[in-house]
Amino acid sequence: DTEVTQTPKHLVMGMTNKKSLKCEQHMGHRAMYWYKQKAKKPPELMFVYSYEKLSINESVPSRFSPECPNSSLLNLHLHALQPEDSALYLCASSAYNEQFFGPGTRLTVL
Amino acid sequence: GENVEQHPSTLSVQEGDSAVIKCTYSDSASNYFPWYKQELGKRPQLIIDIRSNVGEKKDQRIAVTLNKTAKHFSLHITETQPEDSAVYFCAAGSISNFGNEKLTFGTGTRLTIIP
Repeated sequence: DTEVTQTPKHLVMGMTNKKSLKCEQHMGHRAMYWYKQKAKKPPELMFVYSYEKLSINESVPSRFSPECPNSSLLNLHLHALQPEDSALYLCASSAYNEQFFGPGTRLTVL
Repeated sequence: GENVEQHPSTLSVQEGDSAVIKCTYSDSASNYFPWYKQELGKRPQLIIDIRSNVGEKKDQRIAVTLNKTAKHFSLHITETQPEDSAVYFCAAGSISNFGNEKLTFGTGTRLTIIP
């Protein structure tokens, strides 16, 4: 398996909902990332996990809560989001430096 | 922190001609420079990268050049084809032994190949 997978592909949620995004890789990569990408903009780093430990948090609001249950899985828990949080959420993984992206979850917050 | 500027923001090229996209970075500690291609509705895909210990790298029709002194790097695509149409992002970061490097992305270039 040489890909990063993400579920769901699309998610619509209200501002009071709680939902989770999931990311999985089976390439033995040691680092996993969450990015947020708005339309016509570059990916914007949110969190980095290295060896299952949070190593970088780019001052992301607490309504986004990352979790790394094991070396292959990465979750992003969402709670009380705002409409401006609507975006494509990308997961990535890397072994040394090359980051490989998943297909993303298109999130819409109503 | 690192700041990456990318030019041009849009580029139209006749099929078969060459395309060049340029980026500059601000942090002299950056030593890893990947390029990503993102087609509409798809994930960013790594197409080529370069480390600061080399000045040029080629992979078939794609090449990247790096000038550390001037802090700029460029993507060159030769013999362009319609399937090269996409948004291209440059990025800069530092090589990490832990694989948890932080990449700063440029603002992107929308490349259109005209048949």
